[in-house]
Amino acid sequence: AQSVTQLDSHVSVSEGTPVLLRCNYSSSYSPSLFWYVQHPNKGLQLLLKYTSAATLVKGINGFEAEFKKSETSFHLTKPSAHMSDAAEYFCVVSNTGFQKLVFGTGTRLLVSP
Amino acid sequence: GAVVSQHPSRVICKSGTSVKIECRSLDFQATTMFWYRQFPKQSLMLMATSNEGSKATYEQGVEKDKFLINHASLTLSTLTVTSAHPEDSSFYICSARDRLGAWGHGYTFGSGTRLTVV
Repeated sequence: AQSVTQLDSHVSVSEGTPVLLRCNYSSSYSPSLFWYVQHPNKGLQLLLKYTSAATLVKGINGFEAEFKKSETSFHLTKPSAHMSDAAEYFCVVSNTGFQKLVFGTGTRLLVSP
Repeated sequence: GAVVSQHPSRVICKSGTSVKIECRSLDFQATTMFWYRQFPKQSLMLMATSNEGSKATYEQGVEKDKFLINHASLTLSTLTVTSAHPEDSSFYICSARDRLGAWGHGYTFGSGTRLTVV
């Protein structure tokens, strides 16, 4: 079975400083991995996805993630946080045939001025 | 890009009544629709998966007779919460996928429906 573990429930950064949201995955095959962002009372927006192409994936709003098979990690980074980045972030893995998405427990990103 | 329209965004209903939530894929064919439930400050819990024209597949512990899912066309899926009770109050989110999955539009999420049962 596939699973993801988001290592931090909350991450606090100052505006303009780097962001690192950590995610480890478990999968018996080469997975497809996603990062989604959710603002309060809103649906989910796809930030980026990895589907066995380039291991460094660039997404929207300056976010990127690197797939590291040896470390079974897919951490999300951004060089400089903006106030509008404050939200809940979900690391997600899909199962065989992309029939289901398995969500991590989420990381709440807090950005202070 | 791909858009999924979910309505209503908020609904308040009386205990014992039924509520229907709609999700429409606006610019692609949703061969598969997923319905999730999200409790406050928690992750998304998959309730059921439906393929167009087929019966939905429910996750363990989800009551089929309470949460009726219809996916009669490639652009519309509905979730009906029957005989709603206060414990059904939650945030419900749909997600649609075309036949290409992650290599196509991927999974596109609706904006969610906040259901409050009083």
